Amino acid sequence: QVQLVQSGAEVKKPGASVKVSCKASGYTFTSYGISWVRQAPGQGLEWMGWISGYNGNTNYAQKFQGRVTMTTDTSTNTAYMELRRLRSDDTAVFYCARDPNSSGYYGDWFDPWGQGTLVSVSS
Amino acid sequence: QSVLTQPPSVSGAPGQRVTISCSGSSSNIGAGYDVHWYQQLPGTAPKLLIFGNSNRPSGVPDRFSGSNSGTSASLAITGLQAEDEADYYCQSYDSSLSGSVFGGGTKLTVL
Repeated sequence: QVQLVQSGAEVKKPGASVKVSCKASGYTFTSYGISWVRQAPGQGLEWMGWISGYNGNTNYAQKFQGRVTMTTDTSTNTAYMELRRLRSDDTAVFYCARDPNSSGYYGDWFDPWGQGTLVSVSS
Repeated sequence: QSVLTQPPSVSGAPGQRVTISCSGSSSNIGAGYDVHWYQQLPGTAPKLLIFGNSNRPSGVPDRFSGSNSGTSASLAITGLQAEDEADYYCQSYDSSLSGSVFGGGTKLTVL
């Protein structure tokens, strides 16, 4: 079955960086994209960006440009999201989710989602 | 403040029909970009409920349906069940932001 398994919870200090992994299985990784979405405690969903599983092209949300980097490793079918210069308001659960397009970002749906990775930022 | 506006909460008794609205603008829903809906049960990851405005993925009951009109979209749930109690989110593409946007989410309470 199609599955996305994310890395474990992280605790970081303000100013640090975090890198979350998302390992895909059950489908052809290069035929799809991966989007990243975050959810602050008790808050709604926020799209962070997309990466192609085919060629690594990215489309980042304006809010995160300059602070986020998304990469893939097709040898292990794994996507990564690195967020730098962390602040306390970056404390959130970060989700990866499969996007049906690998050629470009078109605002398509996300299915399935990973289980989520809690990143806590505190001094 | 979310780009797509949803009511914070809705409620209904078992067996009833409820609708959740998702109001956008000319740069997203009104521009013809598709709307997708997700269900998030407490403590779990979101699950795709409706894609491409009105399509249900395999396994989603036909009690769930989606529709669009102008700059808004709606999710309808008929035959309400206790297990439907969850948060619901709409999502679309916004050309001004060049990316996806979500509604703020709606908490459904089954009375």
